[in-house]
Amino acid sequence: AQSVTQPDIHITVSEGASLELRCNYSYGATPYLFWYVQSPGQGLQLLLKYFSGDTLVQGIKGFEAEFKRSQSSFNLRKPSVHWSDAAEYFCAVGSNRDDKIIFGKGTRLHILP
Amino acid sequence: DSGVTQTPKHLITATGQRVTLRCSPRSGDLSVYWYQQSLDQGLQFLIQYYNGEERAKGNILERFSAQQFPDLHSELNLSSLELGDSALYFCASSVRSSGNTIYFGEGSWLTVV
Repeated sequence: AQSVTQPDIHITVSEGASLELRCNYSYGATPYLFWYVQSPGQGLQLLLKYFSGDTLVQGIKGFEAEFKRSQSSFNLRKPSVHWSDAAEYFCAVGSNRDDKIIFGKGTRLHILP
Repeated sequence: DSGVTQTPKHLITATGQRVTLRCSPRSGDLSVYWYQQSLDQGLQFLIQYYNGEERAKGNILERFSAQQFPDLHSELNLSSLELGDSALYFCASSVRSSGNTIYFGEGSWLTVV
């Protein structure tokens, strides 16, 4: 069965520091992978997605993620965080053969001034 | 603004009651997804419809039902409500039934008292 694991429930970083949010997935077929961000009281906004091709994908707001098939990972990175990046981040997996998209439990990012 | 519209934004109701949540997908999208987000369970996939037909089912309770109408809007019906049903209910939509990006509405906050 599909599953997504985000091992860090909370992460705190200082403004201007680099960020890496971890995501591991379990899926039998070739996965489609997503990162979404949710600000308080808001819906989920798509940051970036990987379907095929270059394993390093660029997204909005300066985020990027790297697909590593051998590690079943799709970690999200940003070289320098801003206070406005404080939010909850969700990793998700789907495929072209499955109608469901499964989400991880999320990682809440806190930014120190 | 994702283009997915959900109503109502907030709803307070008593235990044992029934409510209906409504979703209008993005223009051109044929697929509608319903998710439940609660503090303890995270973001749970409930059900998906594609062009009026049910395509995938997740952790949806028997007390809950959904449908997608010919104009492609969808309704999620929640009956015999319990305190534990209090959550944020998201609708999302996509063009196809699988292998594509889904876009979320801002959610309907349900509080059961």
